[in-house]
Amino acid sequence: EAEVAQSPRYKITEKSQAVAFWCDPISGHATLYWYRQILGQGPELLVQFQDESVVDDSQLPKDRFSAERLKGVDSTLKIQPAELGDSAMYLCASSPFDDSNEQFFGPGTRLTVL
Amino acid sequence: GDSVTQMEGPVTLSEEAFLTINCTYTATGYPSLFWYVQYPGEGLQLLLKATKADDKGSNKGFEATYRKETTSFHLEKGSVQVSDSAVYFCALRAGANNLFFGTGTRLTVIP
Repeated sequence: EAEVAQSPRYKITEKSQAVAFWCDPISGHATLYWYRQILGQGPELLVQFQDESVVDDSQLPKDRFSAERLKGVDSTLKIQPAELGDSAMYLCASSPFDDSNEQFFGPGTRLTVL
Repeated sequence: GDSVTQMEGPVTLSEEAFLTINCTYTATGYPSLFWYVQYPGEGLQLLLKATKADDKGSNKGFEATYRKETTSFHLEKGSVQVSDSAVYFCALRAGANNLFFGTGTRLTVIP
């Protein structure tokens, strides 16, 4: 069964360092999402791509966060510089471009900023 | 704006007990409603969904009915098992693809 892949699964970094997360969506899924899930809370959307274009990045802290999906397939989310408050689970999801629009989630990357 | 209010946990039940996790929503228009489950160390999995009023979503013994009059989508299961221990998230999607999640309810089922 096709799955959304994410790496790394865990990342520990010191504040002010740069970190990057990678996501490979299910093959053929046009829409890709990055969510941030702070411990004890539900996921919140950071950025949504349709193919290689950003559809919604209104909640992305653009002073330190960036996301790209250059060829409309896999995607990278970067944080530079990392801050203590960025410690969270970063989830990637993808969905096909059909009526269901069901989102399929990857296992996530757990980031700890020291 | 769109939002989901979910019953706070944690919830601890004995095996074979009845489960209810409350979820109410606020949305413009006619949202689709979802329950997602997150097992330890894993990503979110769609448990069930309903796309219009009075629809009942069901899966793995779990059920939820879309109640427009009470803006609710409560999750129920008649007899929980230890393997149901997880965090459950209620979510809505109104119009665009973006999902709005509740804060999650941690369920622990003890033998």
